[in-house]
Amino acid sequence: DVKVTQSSRYLVKRTGEKVFLECVQDMDHENMFWYRQDPGLGLRLIYFSYDVKMKEKGDIPEGYSVSREKKERFSLILESASTNQTSMYLCASSLSLPQGGGDSNQPQHFGDGTRLSIL
Amino acid sequence: TQLLEQSPQFLSIQEGENLTVYCNSSSVFSSLQWYRQEPGEGPVLLVTVVTGGEVKKLKRLTFQFGDARKDSSLHITAAQPGDTGLYLCAGLHSGTYKYIFGTGTRLKVLA
Repeated sequence: DVKVTQSSRYLVKRTGEKVFLECVQDMDHENMFWYRQDPGLGLRLIYFSYDVKMKEKGDIPEGYSVSREKKERFSLILESASTNQTSMYLCASSLSLPQGGGDSNQPQHFGDGTRLSIL
Repeated sequence: TQLLEQSPQFLSIQEGENLTVYCNSSSVFSSLQWYRQEPGEGPVLLVTVVTGGEVKKLKRLTFQFGDARKDSSLHITAAQPGDTGLYLCAGLHSGTYKYIFGTGTRLKVLA
């Protein structure tokens, strides 16, 4: 089974701090994703990476950056944390990027999430 | 960011009842996935549907993709407490590689 591990289940930080969220996957997947999950808004994509050192912005990248120095590890960075970044953060990985149509779309495998509170 | 609208947002039912969850959009999707997320865990894929009108069954769960590929439904027969969780749909537009997630339906099945 694919294992996606997020380093912290709960994290409390202060406004203005630089925050690192770490994610590791053990299945040699090419693609990794960071989402935030807020009630009533579903999951929103922050950034994704399709290869080492490659990244693309998702739908809500403002205030965030990412790092992928090794294939198995994808880090999300809050440059200067703000209270509106309090949320559940979910990391995911997939074997391939989804293509339009076809049962070949590989599932995304999610970690258990990091609940981040910014005070 | 366009979201998929799911209804109902919350649902609390007794064990043994049937229920249907809806996932609606005004745009066409090339494929649609359903996930279930249990408390304290990440979402887990249940099914992917790709053809308009397609019906897939997973034990007591029946998934249908709308004929026009703009909507989908999830029907659960004889719900059990183990079905409790957050159900999320996620649609993929043709020519893109980012899934758009629905707003979620939180289901609680009482014993």
